[in-house]
Amino acid sequence: GENVEQHPSTLSVQEGDSAVIKCTYSDSASNYFPWYKQELGKRPQLIIDIRSNVGEKKDQRIAVTLNKTAKHFSLHITETQPEDSAVYFCAASIIGRVGRSSGDKLTFGTGTRLAVRP
Amino acid sequence: SAVISQKPSRDICQRGTSLTIQCQVDSQVTMMFWYRQQPGQSLTLIATANQGSEATYESGFVIDKFPISRPNLTFSTLTVSNMSPEDSSIYLCSVEDQTEAFFGQGTRLTVV
Repeated sequence: GENVEQHPSTLSVQEGDSAVIKCTYSDSASNYFPWYKQELGKRPQLIIDIRSNVGEKKDQRIAVTLNKTAKHFSLHITETQPEDSAVYFCAASIIGRVGRSSGDKLTFGTGTRLAVRP
Repeated sequence: SAVISQKPSRDICQRGTSLTIQCQVDSQVTMMFWYRQQPGQSLTLIATANQGSEATYESGFVIDKFPISRPNLTFSTLTVSNMSPEDSSIYLCSVEDQTEAFFGQGTRLTVV
Protein backbone atom coordinates (compact mmCIF):
# COMPACT_ATOMS: atom_id res chain seq x y z
CA GLY A 1 0.00 0.00 0.00
CA GLU A 2 0.86 3.66 -0.08
CA ASN A 3 3.39 5.10 2.36
CA VAL A 4 3.70 8.85 2.84
CA GLU A 5 6.64 10.40 4.66
CA GLN A 6 6.62 14.01 5.77
CA HIS A 7 9.43 16.34 6.92
CA PRO A 8 10.13 18.18 9.07
CA SER A 9 8.04 17.11 12.05
CA THR A 10 8.35 20.58 13.57
CA LEU A 11 9.15 23.91 11.97
CA SER A 12 9.56 27.30 13.56
CA VAL A 13 9.80 30.43 11.41
CA GLN A 14 9.78 34.16 11.96
CA GLU A 15 6.66 35.99 10.88
CA GLY A 16 7.05 37.08 7.29
CA ASP A 17 9.47 34.31 6.39
CA SER A 18 8.61 31.34 4.17
CA ALA A 19 7.91 27.80 5.30
CA VAL A 20 8.39 24.66 3.25
CA ILE A 21 7.09 21.20 4.13
CA LYS A 22 8.05 18.18 2.07
CA CYS A 23 6.40 14.81 1.49
CA THR A 24 7.36 11.71 -0.41
CA TYR A 25 5.07 8.91 -1.50
CA SER A 26 5.70 5.34 -2.56
CA ASP A 27 2.85 4.35 -4.88
CA SER A 28 3.41 5.64 -8.41
CA ALA A 29 -0.31 5.16 -9.10
CA SER A 30 -1.23 7.92 -6.64
CA ASN A 31 -2.54 10.92 -8.54
CA TYR A 32 -4.08 13.22 -5.94
CA PHE A 33 -2.17 15.06 -3.22
CA PRO A 34 -4.07 17.26 -0.75
CA TRP A 35 -2.76 19.27 2.17
CA TYR A 36 -4.75 19.65 5.38
CA LYS A 37 -4.33 22.20 8.16
CA GLN A 38 -5.34 21.30 11.68
CA GLU A 39 -5.42 24.07 14.25
CA LEU A 40 -5.18 23.13 17.88
CA GLY A 41 -8.30 21.28 19.02
CA LYS A 42 -9.99 21.59 15.66
CA ARG A 43 -10.77 19.34 12.73
CA PRO A 44 -8.43 19.05 9.73
CA GLN A 45 -9.39 21.27 6.80
CA LEU A 46 -8.26 21.16 3.21
CA ILE A 47 -6.10 24.14 2.24
CA ILE A 48 -4.83 23.15 -1.19
CA ASP A 49 -4.53 20.10 -3.39
CA ILE A 50 -2.82 19.08 -6.60
CA ARG A 51 -3.41 16.40 -9.16
CA SER A 52 -0.69 14.55 -10.97
CA ASN A 53 -1.38 16.23 -14.28
CA VAL A 54 0.07 19.54 -13.05
CA GLY A 55 3.38 20.44 -11.49
CA GLU A 56 2.43 23.45 -9.42
CA LYS A 57 -0.63 25.15 -7.99
CA LYS A 58 -0.90 28.43 -6.13
CA ASP A 59 -3.57 30.00 -3.96
CA GLN A 60 -2.54 33.39 -2.58
CA ARG A 61 0.25 32.74 -0.05
CA ILE A 62 0.28 28.98 -0.38
CA ALA A 63 1.56 26.82 -3.21
CA VAL A 64 2.13 23.15 -3.79
CA THR A 65 4.65 21.62 -6.16
CA LEU A 66 4.72 18.05 -7.40
CA ASN A 67 7.56 16.02 -8.87
CA LYS A 68 6.04 12.79 -10.18
CA THR A 69 9.33 11.34 -11.25
CA ALA A 70 10.85 11.70 -7.81
CA LYS A 71 7.51 11.02 -6.10
CA HIS A 72 7.61 14.01 -3.85
CA PHE A 73 5.50 17.09 -3.31
CA SER A 74 5.91 20.17 -1.18
CA LEU A 75 3.85 22.85 0.49
CA HIS A 76 5.16 26.40 0.37
CA ILE A 77 3.78 29.15 2.58
CA THR A 78 5.09 32.64 1.92
CA GLU A 79 4.86 35.73 4.16
CA THR A 80 3.89 33.57 7.11
CA GLN A 81 1.56 34.97 9.75
CA PRO A 82 0.88 33.83 13.33
CA GLU A 83 -2.46 32.39 12.22
CA ASP A 84 -0.57 29.97 10.00
CA SER A 85 0.58 28.20 13.17
CA ALA A 86 -0.97 24.73 13.06
CA VAL A 87 -0.23 21.12 12.18
CA TYR A 88 -0.09 20.45 8.46
CA PHE A 89 -0.71 17.03 6.95
CA CYS A 90 0.05 15.95 3.43
CA ALA A 91 -1.81 13.03 1.93
CA ALA A 92 -1.87 10.87 -1.18
CA SER A 93 -4.60 8.97 -2.90
CA ILE A 94 -5.83 7.58 -6.20
CA ILE A 95 -8.90 9.21 -7.62
CA GLY A 96 -10.92 8.41 -10.68
CA ARG A 97 -13.23 10.51 -12.75
CA VAL A 98 -15.91 10.60 -10.06
CA GLY A 99 -13.75 10.59 -6.99
CA ARG A 100 -12.09 8.00 -4.85
CA SER A 101 -13.02 4.34 -4.85
CA SER A 102 -13.44 2.57 -1.55
CA GLY A 103 -10.31 0.53 -2.14
CA ASP A 104 -8.04 3.54 -2.58
CA LYS A 105 -7.67 5.11 0.80
CA LEU A 106 -6.37 8.56 1.63
CA THR A 107 -2.97 8.04 3.24
CA PHE A 108 -1.75 10.83 5.48
CA GLY A 109 1.77 11.91 6.28
CA THR A 110 2.93 12.15 9.87
CA GLY A 111 2.29 15.87 10.16
CA THR A 112 4.37 19.02 10.60
CA ARG A 113 3.83 21.34 13.53
CA LEU A 114 4.44 24.86 12.24
CA ALA A 115 5.02 27.68 14.68
CA VAL A 116 5.20 31.25 13.36
CA ARG A 117 6.96 33.56 15.81
CA PRO A 118 5.58 37.11 15.85
CA SER B 1 -19.15 20.85 0.93
CA ALA B 2 -20.47 18.70 3.74
CA VAL B 3 -21.33 19.51 7.33
CA ILE B 4 -20.65 16.74 9.81
CA SER B 5 -21.95 16.58 13.35
CA GLN B 6 -20.10 14.18 15.59
CA LYS B 7 -20.85 13.34 19.19
CA PRO B 8 -19.85 13.08 21.90
CA SER B 9 -17.07 15.65 21.60
CA ARG B 10 -15.23 14.06 24.49
CA ASP B 11 -15.65 11.36 27.09
CA ILE B 12 -13.78 9.74 29.94
CA CYS B 13 -14.50 6.03 30.20
CA GLN B 14 -13.60 3.18 32.47
CA ARG B 15 -11.50 0.39 31.04
CA GLY B 16 -13.51 -2.60 29.94
CA THR B 17 -16.51 -0.53 28.89
CA SER B 18 -17.62 0.50 25.40
CA LEU B 19 -18.34 3.88 23.82
CA THR B 20 -20.41 4.54 20.72
CA ILE B 21 -19.59 7.59 18.65
CA GLN B 22 -22.20 9.02 16.31
CA CYS B 23 -21.68 10.86 13.05
CA GLN B 24 -24.42 12.70 11.16
CA VAL B 25 -23.90 14.25 7.71
CA ASP B 26 -26.09 16.93 6.15
CA SER B 27 -26.18 15.16 2.78
CA GLN B 28 -26.33 11.62 1.47
CA VAL B 29 -22.92 10.05 0.94
CA THR B 30 -21.89 6.62 -0.24
CA MET B 31 -18.84 6.18 1.95
CA MET B 32 -18.12 7.34 5.47
CA PHE B 33 -14.68 6.97 6.99
CA TRP B 34 -13.55 6.53 10.58
CA TYR B 35 -10.07 7.68 11.61
CA ARG B 36 -8.05 7.52 14.77
CA GLN B 37 -5.64 10.29 15.70
CA GLN B 38 -3.44 9.46 18.65
CA PRO B 39 -1.98 12.41 20.59
CA GLY B 40 0.41 14.36 18.40
CA GLN B 41 0.14 11.80 15.62
CA SER B 42 -1.29 11.55 12.14
CA LEU B 43 -4.68 10.28 11.04
CA THR B 44 -4.97 6.53 10.66
CA LEU B 45 -7.92 5.05 8.82
CA ILE B 46 -9.81 2.51 10.90
CA ALA B 47 -12.50 1.50 8.42
CA THR B 48 -14.72 2.56 5.56
CA ALA B 49 -18.46 2.31 6.15
CA ASN B 50 -20.72 1.70 3.16
CA GLN B 51 -24.46 1.78 3.46
CA GLY B 52 -25.98 -1.66 3.00
CA SER B 53 -22.81 -3.67 3.42
CA GLU B 54 -20.27 -4.53 6.07
CA ALA B 55 -17.57 -2.02 6.82
CA THR B 56 -14.12 -2.55 5.35
CA TYR B 57 -11.42 -2.54 8.02
CA GLU B 58 -7.80 -1.56 7.61
CA SER B 59 -4.93 -3.72 8.72
CA GLY B 60 -4.66 -3.74 12.49
CA PHE B 61 -8.32 -2.98 13.12
CA VAL B 62 -11.01 -5.62 13.62
CA ILE B 63 -14.77 -5.60 13.72
CA ASP B 64 -14.99 -7.08 17.21
CA LYS B 65 -13.04 -4.16 18.63
CA PHE B 66 -14.51 -1.40 16.42
CA PRO B 67 -17.99 -2.42 15.27
CA ILE B 68 -19.52 0.04 12.83
CA SER B 69 -23.11 0.65 11.84
CA ARG B 70 -24.31 2.43 8.70
CA PRO B 71 -28.10 2.33 8.74
CA ASN B 72 -28.58 4.99 6.06
CA LEU B 73 -26.73 7.38 3.76
CA THR B 74 -26.38 10.17 6.32
CA PHE B 75 -25.47 8.41 9.56
CA SER B 76 -22.86 6.07 11.01
CA THR B 77 -21.67 4.94 14.40
CA LEU B 78 -18.33 3.61 15.59
CA THR B 79 -18.13 1.65 18.83
CA VAL B 80 -14.88 1.30 20.72
CA SER B 81 -15.33 -1.96 22.63
CA ASN B 82 -13.73 -3.33 25.77
CA MET B 83 -11.64 -0.20 26.09
CA SER B 84 -8.14 -0.03 27.49
CA PRO B 85 -5.92 3.03 28.11
CA GLU B 86 -4.27 2.38 24.72
CA ASP B 87 -7.58 3.33 23.07
CA SER B 88 -7.24 6.88 24.39
CA SER B 89 -7.24 8.95 21.24
CA ILE B 90 -9.25 11.27 19.06
CA TYR B 91 -11.68 9.54 16.74
CA LEU B 92 -12.90 11.38 13.65
CA CYS B 93 -15.49 10.56 11.05
CA SER B 94 -15.08 11.84 7.54
CA VAL B 95 -16.89 12.03 4.22
CA GLU B 96 -15.68 13.07 0.81
CA ASP B 97 -17.11 15.32 -1.87
CA GLN B 98 -15.47 14.08 -5.07
CA THR B 99 -11.97 14.61 -3.72
CA GLU B 100 -12.07 16.86 -0.66
CA ALA B 101 -12.39 15.15 2.71
CA PHE B 102 -14.53 16.78 5.39
CA PHE B 103 -14.13 15.83 9.02
CA GLY B 104 -16.30 15.82 12.07
CA GLN B 105 -15.04 17.79 15.04
CA GLY B 106 -13.69 14.61 16.61
CA THR B 107 -14.33 12.68 19.80
CA ARG B 108 -11.57 12.93 22.39
CA LEU B 109 -11.64 9.65 24.31
CA THR B 110 -9.76 9.10 27.53
CA VAL B 111 -9.78 5.63 29.06
CA VAL B 112 -8.93 5.38 32.75
